[in-house]
Amino acid sequence: NAGVTQTPKFQVLKTGQSMTLQCAQDMNHEYMSWYRQDPGMGLRLIHYSVGAGITDQGEVPNGYNVSRSTTEDFPLRLLSAAPSQTSVYFCASRITANYGYTFGSGTRLTVV
Amino acid sequence: KQEVTQIPAALSVPEGENLVLNCSFTDSAIYNLQWFRQDPGKGLTSLLLIQSSQREQTSGRLNASLDKSSGRSTLYIAASQPGDSATYLCAADNYGQNFVFGPGTRLSVLP
Repeated sequence: NAGVTQTPKFQVLKTGQSMTLQCAQDMNHEYMSWYRQDPGMGLRLIHYSVGAGITDQGEVPNGYNVSRSTTEDFPLRLLSAAPSQTSVYFCASRITANYGYTFGSGTRLTVV
Repeated sequence: KQEVTQIPAALSVPEGENLVLNCSFTDSAIYNLQWFRQDPGKGLTSLLLIQSSQREQTSGRLNASLDKSSGRSTLYIAASQPGDSATYLCAADNYGQNFVFGPGTRLSVLP
């Protein structure tokens, strides 16, 4: 039982490049979310999913896409990276609404 | 819109002290409230989850309480240790869809 696995742990992108941050969980959790953490801004929700095939926007969705084709995986795609997307990205999952979140270890992204 | 605040922003105490961290939220219609710990450069570790029907949860030296009517939760740490030094985050579950996080309290326990 690996929990929530995020890859890569570190990434440097050039402005305009695209990439996908991977998130996988092996706990059969229905709910999955992506947050970004910035100094002075705390954790902010980007996108979330309440089950395979169902996604919705959070507080800061612009510049990001998600899809949920399986229960296990919830990738986050950066369409055209910008320096403002420099941040630490966390993926989290939970069984359903009445349970707490388990977080991955994060991806530290720098856009130059 | 749910907003979560935490007081104090930072706290420094000598080892062995009991301490209380405060969390306030604006919308009392929350499902759950969860407390996390975050070490520098690391991810979030769940400490306690208080579900909507509960008023408190305990784990070892930690006790968290929830008062939905007043919009407050407290995390009590007994007999603090240097290893407790970290940032503590509370998060309010908004309508069972997602958590809104507070800014955190940075705790330093001095030996």
